Amino acid sequence: DQQVKQNSPSLSVQEGRISILNCDYTNSMFDYFLWYKKYPAEGPTFLISISSIKDKNEDGRFTVFLNKSAKHLSLHIVPSQPGDSAVYFCAASEQAGGTSYGKLTFGQGTILTVHP
Amino acid sequence: GAGVSQSPSNKVTEKGKDVELRCDPISGHTALYWYRQSLGQGLEFLIYFQGNSAPDKSGLPSDRFSAERTGGSVSTLTIQRTQQEDSAVYLCASTYNVGQNIQYFGAGTRLSVL
Repeated sequence: DQQVKQNSPSLSVQEGRISILNCDYTNSMFDYFLWYKKYPAEGPTFLISISSIKDKNEDGRFTVFLNKSAKHLSLHIVPSQPGDSAVYFCAASEQAGGTSYGKLTFGQGTILTVHP
Repeated sequence: GAGVSQSPSNKVTEKGKDVELRCDPISGHTALYWYRQSLGQGLEFLIYFQGNSAPDKSGLPSDRFSAERTGGSVSTLTIQRTQQEDSAVYLCASTYNVGQNIQYFGAGTRLSVL
């Protein structure tokens, strides 16, 4: 079963506009959420994260929002730049004591293309 | 080195052959993780190590897959009698300790089984 889902395989945005990437999860034991960015032929690079005790975390142009009741998180990129074009993965980790402790569970990824 | 190093970067093999993939984690990182990414899919957890022990092997897809880590540093993922469905990018990550959520990834090994 897919515990972390990114339902949009791709997103196309104009430079300067906002990019919104979405992620849903089903496991209520998840308590930490991360976004990774991946360029072709490179490994995923950590971008931003959020703990379940917060509902928002901001780092420069990147903001992650968490809605625990809806089991939904989103990544906002404002303004979007062509260099942001990459695959974005949502990931989640479980608190200590959980059966999935120690690993990240990833979504399928969303390909973001930012057009000049 | 400064980051997680994986070798080889690409591996082409024939069905039925054994392959070994290597991961050298960030210096000082005691936790090491293996994932694989099949075409068009997300990253699938395989196994993790804390030091030399592997508390969770639940992600290994079959008994043809094994991994070891000796000396608390370099890890080797071995796939015996490779099948075409084993074709994927195999990614390694490390953290200072298990429970640290942010994992740092290598560039991966792209395995192609013909």
